[in-house]
Amino acid sequence: GENVEQHPSTLSVQEGDSAVIKCTYSDSASNYFPWYKQELGKRPQLIIDIRSNVGEKKDQRIAVTLNKTAKHFSLHITETQPEDSAVYFCAAGGGGGNKLTFGTGTQLKVEL
Amino acid sequence: GAVVSQHPSRVICKSGTSVKIECRSLDFQATTMFWYRQFPKQSLMLMATSNEGSKATYEQGVEKDKFLINHASLTLSTLTVTSAHPEDSSFYICSARDYREDTQYFGPGTRLTVL
Repeated sequence: GENVEQHPSTLSVQEGDSAVIKCTYSDSASNYFPWYKQELGKRPQLIIDIRSNVGEKKDQRIAVTLNKTAKHFSLHITETQPEDSAVYFCAAGGGGGNKLTFGTGTQLKVEL
Repeated sequence: GAVVSQHPSRVICKSGTSVKIECRSLDFQATTMFWYRQFPKQSLMLMATSNEGSKATYEQGVEKDKFLINHASLTLSTLTVTSAHPEDSSFYICSARDYREDTQYFGPGTRLTVL
């Protein structure tokens, strides 16, 4: 089955700096890679996703890159703000109708 | 994004009792829903895939007779934790596939505490 590794487990940045979270996956059949943000005690919220037919996608301060050859994808957050502090999960799967395998999560802390 | 609700948000029960958790897609039809459990400071672990009108598909190591899943309509899936024990205490979260975007949206979760 699919195995997703995520790094780092914790990340502290100064407000305004950029944050990068990286994930690798094992199953070459995976073609859908969403990123979720989860605040303490709340539901994971989809912040961005990318499918295997593109290498990069951007939405305001958030971008995701995908390298299918190397089987890795990354989340980039620019101009970080305190409200970006949360746990971020990457996931990999065969599309929204197929099961997702989640990474272990990254605790992002944006300090003033 | 699509809206998924979950009920109850929090439940405390005695050991040996059964607890039912509901997951509803509010503004779309979901032929596929997923059930996860999440322990504190850990990732989401998929328990089962729930398909409308058919039997759920359970992940390896998940007891299907203990975690009963019913997906009787296009907007509702239920998870029943039978004969709950303290080790079943966890955060249970459902997600639903929004076919319009081919992505998954999560419910708010249910915090189960078994005494």
